[in-house]
Order: sequence, then C-alpha cells, then structure tokens
Amino acid sequence: SQELEQSPQSLIVQEGKNLTINCTSSKTLYGLYWYKQKYGEGLIFLMMLQKGGEEKSHEKITAKLDEKKQQSSLHITASQPSHAGIYLCGASGEYGNKLVFGAGTILRVKS
Amino acid sequence: DGGITQSPKYLFRKEGQNVTLSCEQNLNHDAMYWYRQDPGQGLRLIYYSQIVNDFQKGDIAEGYSVSREKKESFPLTVTSAQKNPTAFYLCASSIGTSGYEQYFGPGTRLTVT
Repeated sequence: SQELEQSPQSLIVQEGKNLTINCTSSKTLYGLYWYKQKYGEGLIFLMMLQKGGEEKSHEKITAKLDEKKQQSSLHITASQPSHAGIYLCGASGEYGNKLVFGAGTILRVKS
Repeated sequence: DGGITQSPKYLFRKEGQNVTLSCEQNLNHDAMYWYRQDPGQGLRLIYYSQIVNDFQKGDIAEGYSVSREKKESFPLTVTSAQKNPTAFYLCASSIGTSGYEQYFGPGTRLTVT
C-alpha cells in the first residue's frame, strides 16, 4: 500500500521566517492534497496538486509536486502566528478512491 | 452555510457499550468517509461510501460499522469489538471519489473507559 512520509515531524520558526515541509510517497503520486489542522479540530483543505509537476500558491503558501521524486513540498513565506498548526499531506493512488495521509508536521511560530 | 457537521464534539462511554457518531453534510456530495486520528499518526480510513446504500471497508474497519441510507448522512457505530476505541474521529465528504478534494467535519473525540 502507498505510504507518505512527512518531514520534519515538527518545526519551530521565528515569525517572519520562511519554512518548507516535505511529503514523500513510496509509490507514484496521482494527486497530492495539503491540509491544515488546528489541534482538536477538523482539517482545512489548502491545495490539490495533480500529476505533472504542478505548482500552486495561496496567499503566502506555495506547494509543488515533483513527480520524478514522488515528492511534494509546502513552502510558507514570511511565517505568521496564524500559520501555526499541523500540516498533513494526503495522496491518492492509481484508483483514486482512497486517500492515504502522512503523519503530519507540527508548526509553531514564535512571535 | 454548506458544510459537514459532526456531533457530539466530545463523547464518553463505558467499555463494552456500542456508540454511534453522527455525520451530516449539506454539500450534495456523493462520497463520504470516516477516519480515525491517533496522536502522532496520520488519518486512517475506517469506511467510505461512494453512493447511497453502498459502502466499503477502509484500512481499519474491524470493530466498526456504518450505514448510508441517505445521501446527507453517514453514521459510524463503534462497537464493543473495537479493542482500542478512544480516538479522534473525523468525517469527510467529496463530490466524487477520484480527483476531488475531501472536506472535513470538526471531529468527535471519543473516550472509552
């Protein structure tokens, strides 16, 4: 079955600094989804990347998909306290009807 | 407002009792999902449904049951056969099951003692 490994597991950054979170798949990626979660709450959809080296941006968050490396990266520019939370990547496999999730990256932003 | 609701937010039960978690959506989505989240782990799929009156087991279906009698509703029953039921449960829905993002409810934290 497909597995997703996220790195780092946790991250503490000073407000205003940039940061990158990675998500690496053990199998071919057919769709990669990024979500944000506040502790004890549901997941908020951020972006979806389709196969093909796609890159998307929303406000100060940019996500890229490197299909050769079977990896996606999430980059936050000029981090703010509102960016703090748990970031999870999810991936769909060849048949698309189930998502597999990574364990998540905990982000803390110090002001 | 369109969205997914889960109730209750917190649920406490004694060991050996069955408990049903509610999930309702008014997004007119065909597909619905139940996940379990444990500390330090990602989400694990329990059951999913692509259409009314049809559902499939996910990766950790043992000790759980579901029904999909209405498009809007996908309740999850945690039975006494589930050996470690204490967890955070998340319900999600999507337009379809292939190539569409899933939208999540706020979750239910179940504690069994």
